[in-house]
Amino acid sequence: KAGVTQTPRYLIKTRGQQVTLSCSPISGHRSVSWYQQTPGQGLQFLFEYFSETQRNKGNFPGRFSGRQFSNSRSEMNVSTLELGDSALYLCASSLIGRGIQNIQYFGAGTRLSVL
Amino acid sequence: KQEVTQIPAALSVPEGENLVLNCSFTDSAIYNLQWFRQDPGKGLTSLLLIQSSQREQTSGRLNASLDKSSGRSTLYIAASQPGDSATYLCAVSTGANSKLTFGKGITLSVRP
Repeated sequence: KAGVTQTPRYLIKTRGQQVTLSCSPISGHRSVSWYQQTPGQGLQFLFEYFSETQRNKGNFPGRFSGRQFSNSRSEMNVSTLELGDSALYLCASSLIGRGIQNIQYFGAGTRLSVL
Repeated sequence: KQEVTQIPAALSVPEGENLVLNCSFTDSAIYNLQWFRQDPGKGLTSLLLIQSSQREQTSGRLNASLDKSSGRSTLYIAASQPGDSATYLCAVSTGANSKLTFGKGITLSVRP
């Protein structure tokens, strides 16, 4: 079974640009979550999507947005990039259901550098 | 607001040593707790998940315990090996949703 796939692996952008990151979850997983990892703040929750609906949102500005498609693939978008947006962006998928362990499976991440 | 703390931030031990990594959380109303491993520049690998009703979980040389009332979890690694060198992260979930609150991690170095 293929794991969580994130594309691209690396991105270099300049301030003010926008960027779109993609995440394909494990087959059958309908929940996709996004996290930002920086050396200073560690791992911080961005948002979670389940069945194409955003169920949870972290404390990030509106420049960060996401969506989920009917095949559970998810994208996140960051508009008007700032230097502080440089980070490793991680996507996780999980199988949600009563009696099912909610183990989160993470992708390898997208390393975003904003110059 | 849930906060997760992992101290110390880094640890160096000789090969073969048994070791314990600590994790504490402020809100005892958790749904589950997960321990992850992260290698440099890579994503996270789930090691163990403990449901709120459980006290411990074991996988190979790893054993994780949970004490909800005191807000603590420990990850025990037996007979450490250089290949265990990585950052170990503890994360808690406070509901059936997927939102995890992470600690900053403990970077472990096992010296040959």
